[in-house]
Amino acid sequence: AQRVTQPEKLLSVFKGAPVELKCNYSYSGSPELFWYVQYSRQRLQLLLRHISRESIKGFTADLNKGETSFHLKKPFAQEEDSAMYYCALSGFSSGSARQLTFGSGTQLTVLP
Amino acid sequence: GAGVSQSPRYKVAKRGQDVALRCDPISGHVSLFWYQQALGQGPEFLTYFQNEAQLDKSGLPSDRFFAERPEGSVSTLKIQRTQQEDSAVYLCASSLKGLSGGTDTQYFGPGTRLTVL
Repeated sequence: AQRVTQPEKLLSVFKGAPVELKCNYSYSGSPELFWYVQYSRQRLQLLLRHISRESIKGFTADLNKGETSFHLKKPFAQEEDSAMYYCALSGFSSGSARQLTFGSGTQLTVLP
Repeated sequence: GAGVSQSPRYKVAKRGQDVALRCDPISGHVSLFWYQQALGQGPEFLTYFQNEAQLDKSGLPSDRFFAERPEGSVSTLKIQRTQQEDSAVYLCASSLKGLSGGTDTQYFGPGTRLTVL
């Protein structure tokens, strides 16, 4: 079974401070990991995926297979980063629909 | 271009009523997913379509839930004899490729918030 854990429901940081949103997963195989973000009154949207190895809006995330983690990091948080962040996993098992398995989300608030 | 749209955005139903939720995916997208998001939780998978074929319905919680995509575009999620535990946001997502295309970005609709009284 695949599972995604986001241990922090709420996270507050001050503007300009570093931020790290934690994500751990369990999956017996090679999963693909994603971070989705939902800004207030907007729909869920893809922030980044591990396979792209890119930085979006200053955010990066590295897949650590040894620790089964995919933490999201940004060195200097901005107020506009305040949103709900979901870590998600897609497995490659045979016959799978490749649906996403989501964590329960972390609400990030960046204080002025 | 137009994104995924869903209607209605809000639905209030009395316990025992049937409801139908509509999803218009991005034009040309082969894959369509339905998710259920309970309050304070992440979305949970319900069912998957590749074109008109429902290839995975393992996440549907009971036989009261039924989904279709008869022409491979618009999809409808129907819930019969609604119960209070069905109250949730129902999300639809579409992606360009089918299963053989590998994992693909899913684009989400705004969701339908269902409240069962």
